[in-house]
Amino acid sequence: AAGVIQSPRHLIKEKRETATLKCYPIPRHDTVYWYQQGPGQDPQFLISFYEKMQSDKGSIPDRFSAQQFSDYHSELNMSSLELGDSALYFCASSRETGTYITDTQYFGPGTRLTVL
Amino acid sequence: DAKTTQPPSMDCAEGRAANLPCNHSTISGNEYVYWYRQIHSQGPQYIIHGLKNNETNEMASLIITEDRKSSTLILPHATLRDTAVYYCIVRDRTGANNLFFGTGTRLTVIP
Repeated sequence: AAGVIQSPRHLIKEKRETATLKCYPIPRHDTVYWYQQGPGQDPQFLISFYEKMQSDKGSIPDRFSAQQFSDYHSELNMSSLELGDSALYFCASSRETGTYITDTQYFGPGTRLTVL
Repeated sequence: DAKTTQPPSMDCAEGRAANLPCNHSTISGNEYVYWYRQIHSQGPQYIIHGLKNNETNEMASLIITEDRKSSTLILPHATLRDTAVYYCIVRDRTGANNLFFGTGTRLTVIP
C-alpha cells in the first residue's frame, strides 16, 4: 500500500539559511500533520492542515510556515535556521471520515535536518 | 486530550508475549486509545486503536479495562524487530486531531 512520502530524507543547512520540506500524503488523504522530534525527545506536534486550510497549531516557531496545496501535498518552510532546529521532521496524513471526525494518522519516514 | 502513563522501559524474551501497560485514568467518553511504535529514528508506526472493546489485528491485541482507565498492548510473540519505543495515546477523533506523544515505553526484546 502507498505510504506517506517525504523529501528530502536528509538535509544539511547553515545557520540563518532557509529550508523547505515536502510531504506527499497517502492517496485520498485530505489532512496533513507536521511533527518535530529533537535528539532524544519524543515527537512534538507543529501544525496541521485539512482541505488546504490550517486546522490546528502546536509549538511551531514563527520562523516556520506551512501550507497545503490543491493536490494535498504540504510544504514546511523554515527560515533563519538555528542550531536548535536540527531534528527529525515527520509528516503524517489521515482522512476525514465524517463531520469533524478524522481517521488514523500514518507517518512518513521523516526528514533529518542538520543545521551547522 | 487526556494524558497517559507508561513504564519507561521493559524487557521481553524473544518468542514470548510482550504486555505493555498504559494508564489513562482521565480519559473521556469520546477518546480512543491509540498505540504507535517508533523503531530507532523511523517514522512512528500505527499499531492498533480502540474505544472500549478489545481489539486484535495482525500486529497486536489491545485490551481495555471496563472502566477504560487503563489498557494493555499485547504483542503475542515478540521478535527482535519489535524492539522499539511504544507510545500509548488517547485521542478524541473530533476537534483537534494532533497526537500528543508522551515518553512511551522502550521495549527491548532479548534473544
